[in-house]
Amino acid sequence: DQQVKQNSPSLSVQEGRISILNCDYTNSMFDYFLWYKKYPAEGPTFLISISSIKDKNEDGRFTVFLNKSAKHLSLHIVPSQPGDSAVYFCAASTNSGAGSYQLTFGKGTKLSVIP
Amino acid sequence: EAGVTQFPSHSVIEKGQTVTLRCDPISGHDNLYWYRRVMGKEIKFLLHFVKESKQDESGMPNNRFLAERTGGTYSTLKVQPAELEDSGVYFCASRQAGPTQYFGPGTRLTVL
Repeated sequence: DQQVKQNSPSLSVQEGRISILNCDYTNSMFDYFLWYKKYPAEGPTFLISISSIKDKNEDGRFTVFLNKSAKHLSLHIVPSQPGDSAVYFCAASTNSGAGSYQLTFGKGTKLSVIP
Repeated sequence: EAGVTQFPSHSVIEKGQTVTLRCDPISGHDNLYWYRRVMGKEIKFLLHFVKESKQDESGMPNNRFLAERTGGTYSTLKVQPAELEDSGVYFCASRQAGPTQYFGPGTRLTVL
């Protein structure tokens, strides 16, 4: 059973417009959420994160929104640029008793920004 | 500051052979993680080291996989003997304080 779901395998957006990537989770024990960006043949690169005690975190063009009651988070990219074209992974972690912070990933959404 | 490095970048082996993957975490990071992405699936947790100790190895698929982190610096992940279903990309990540993990470029393992 997938605890983190990214239901859109792909998304195409025009350059300059907003990109919205969505993520749903089922485990209410998750207390930290992260977005990673991945280019082909590279490892995931950390983009932005949010703690479960917040509902919004912003870093430049990137904003993550968290709706705990709906167990839903989204990543907004404004304005979208061609260099943003990549696969975006949503990940969640919990500080379990062992303090593991292991990440549970979604399957990713491939974003294509069209010039 | 150097990031997480992994070696080799790509390995092709025959079924039944042994392969050893290496990960060098960011200097000073006590926490080291191994993950794997099998074709078409999500990235999945394998295990977690704190310094040289295995903190959590609940994601290791079976006893053909052996991870070590002698001295609490670099880590190795050995697959012996390799099976076809072990093919995938193996990622290493490290972190110090806080939940954010930083990933290496991965090792693509192909078992023929």
